[in-house]
Amino acid sequence: DVKVTQSSRYLVKRTGEKVFLECVQDMDHENMFWYRQDPGLGLRLIYFSYDVKMKEKGDIPEGYSVSREKKERFSLILESASTNQTSMYLCASSSRDRAGYEQYFGPGTRLTVT
Amino acid sequence: GIQVEQSPPDLILQEGANSTLRCNFSDSVNNLQWFHQNPWGQLINLFYIPSGTKQNGRLSATTVATERYSLLYISSSQTTDSGVYFCAVRGYSTLTFGKGTMLLVSP
Repeated sequence: DVKVTQSSRYLVKRTGEKVFLECVQDMDHENMFWYRQDPGLGLRLIYFSYDVKMKEKGDIPEGYSVSREKKERFSLILESASTNQTSMYLCASSSRDRAGYEQYFGPGTRLTVT
Repeated sequence: GIQVEQSPPDLILQEGANSTLRCNFSDSVNNLQWFHQNPWGQLINLFYIPSGTKQNGRLSATTVATERYSLLYISSSQTTDSGVYFCAVRGYSTLTFGKGTMLLVSP
């Protein structure tokens, strides 16, 4: 079974703090993704990566950066957290081998910025 | 980009009832997935179904790619089926999600 894990289920940070969200997958997937989910707005793609040290902007990259130093790990960084970044953050991975790139999700991190 | 519309937005059922959820999309797709988001926020993969019909227990799904829609059928619903059901499609790059159908199954 594919397993995607995220470092925290719940996180509370203060405005201006630097925040790291970690995601690890154990299926040797090439592709990894970060989404945020907000009521009424659905899931929106922040960043994705097709390979180590490679990153691509999604639909809403402003205020975020990412790091992929190892194939299994994809980190989302909030350089200076703001209250409008309070959200549910979901990580996903997929294999490039499988046509259509079926995505598998982690359990999510509920981030509150006060 | 591709537009994805799901209907109905909300659905309330009695336990044991059947239901059909619909997903319309605006362009050709290479991938279509159905997910169930449980009350704890976890997205569970239900089906990977860019075309054709699949069944898994009480759930089945059909995608008619030429007419740009997919249907998710839930039979003999149970309270554990409650949650939000998402359809997501991929054209040439990344997945685009619909807004979801929120399902509540009451005992």
